[in-house]
Amino acid sequence: GQQLNQSPQSMFIQEGEDVSMNCTSSSIFNTWLWYKQDPGEGPVLLIALYKAGELTSNGRLTAQFGITRKDSFLNISASIPSDVGIYFCAGLLSQGGSEKLVFGKGMKLTVNP
Amino acid sequence: DTEVTQTPKHLVMGMTNKKSLKCEQHMGHRAMYWYKQKAKKPPELMFVYSYEKLSINESVPSRFSPECPNSSLLNLHLHALQPEDSALYLCASSQAQKGGRVEQFFGPGTRLTVL
Repeated sequence: GQQLNQSPQSMFIQEGEDVSMNCTSSSIFNTWLWYKQDPGEGPVLLIALYKAGELTSNGRLTAQFGITRKDSFLNISASIPSDVGIYFCAGLLSQGGSEKLVFGKGMKLTVNP
Repeated sequence: DTEVTQTPKHLVMGMTNKKSLKCEQHMGHRAMYWYKQKAKKPPELMFVYSYEKLSINESVPSRFSPECPNSSLLNLHLHALQPEDSALYLCASSQAQKGGRVEQFFGPGTRLTVL
């Protein structure tokens, strides 16, 4: 099936550092979503992007919808210990008259206090 | 209310049991979803309901049977499952399936173990 290439797969950073992650695909997406998931919990929506080129912030998080509609990135500034978790990108793919979310493989973030 | 609730939180069942997972949202969303998530993997779509009608079935085995009794409720009936079906089952909802506010909000999941 369709896949999103999410990188890096994991990051170990010190508290206070910034971190960037991105997702790319060979397919065009209409919407990009970024989620964070804690162990044993459901994914929590962080940012939704609807227009190519759109740059959106949510507190210390900033995400952009790539101009080609085939990529997106997420930045976290001034990381804190509670940023630990798995971050997923997800793109809304139109296929055969239906639309469904395709997820990246996730990026595991570890923040050392 | 911006919450999707799921019950039970944990479920252990034998391969001959019949059980059901429940999901509820009161955000007025008209699309609801079931996902399956294995450890260290992203969620995998199973079913999509749009306006209480099944719109997507991702070739899920018939031992999983979804049901949408009304716009707020989504069930997943389980029967004769296999140990490899053990996973976190996630429910999600969105305002619309397409053409509008399609961001999906997830519930906390049901951790299913099949013995």
